[in-house]
Amino acid sequence: DAGVTQSPTHLIKTRGQHVTLRCSPISGHKSVSWYQQVLGQGPQFIFQYYEKEERGRGNFPDRFSARQFPNYSSELNVNALLLGDSALYLCASSLVSSDTEAFFGQGTRLTVV
Amino acid sequence: AQSVTQLGSHVSVSEGALVLLRCNYSSSVPPYLFWYVQYPNQGLQLLLKYTTGATLVKGINGFEAEFKKSETSFHLTKPSAHMSDASEYFCAVSRYSSASKIIFGSGTRLSIRP
Repeated sequence: DAGVTQSPTHLIKTRGQHVTLRCSPISGHKSVSWYQQVLGQGPQFIFQYYEKEERGRGNFPDRFSARQFPNYSSELNVNALLLGDSALYLCASSLVSSDTEAFFGQGTRLTVV
Repeated sequence: AQSVTQLGSHVSVSEGALVLLRCNYSSSVPPYLFWYVQYPNQGLQLLLKYTTGATLVKGINGFEAEFKKSETSFHLTKPSAHMSDASEYFCAVSRYSSASKIIFGSGTRLSIRP
């Protein structure tokens, strides 16, 4: 079975632009979470979605938004990109929202110039 | 509120020596605790987790960790280091499960000397 897949793997954007990152969870998993990992730091929680509804939100500005589709895949959108948004964005999926294990994808490396 | 502190941003041990990565947590509710490993340019892989029950938890690749409530610690150990263990390790805490919000520590880079 395929693991959590994220696309693209790398991308470069200019300040002020908008970006969309995509995540496909493991087949059968209904919960998706997003994390931002700035170089040299641990991941920080951005959002959790379960059954297409937002179940949790971290301390990120409104420029960050996400959604989950009927097939449980998810998109993370970031508007008005700042240099500080450069990071590895990780997606994690789990079977249900209370599952004790989340599986992480390999991430999308976003560079803002 | 929950938080995690990893003591030592970089740990270096000789091949075959004991690995000890330190983690202390803060939580107002019974925590779920995790150790993850991250290989270069890759996502996170779960090494082991503590939810309830036995306080000594065994994980993959010979790693284990002990939950000590009185010390609010969850240190990661491995009796004999292997070159392939060199990587970045993250301790993490969650209020309910790893499917919900996970709070990560800042990470410890483990280096193995030949």
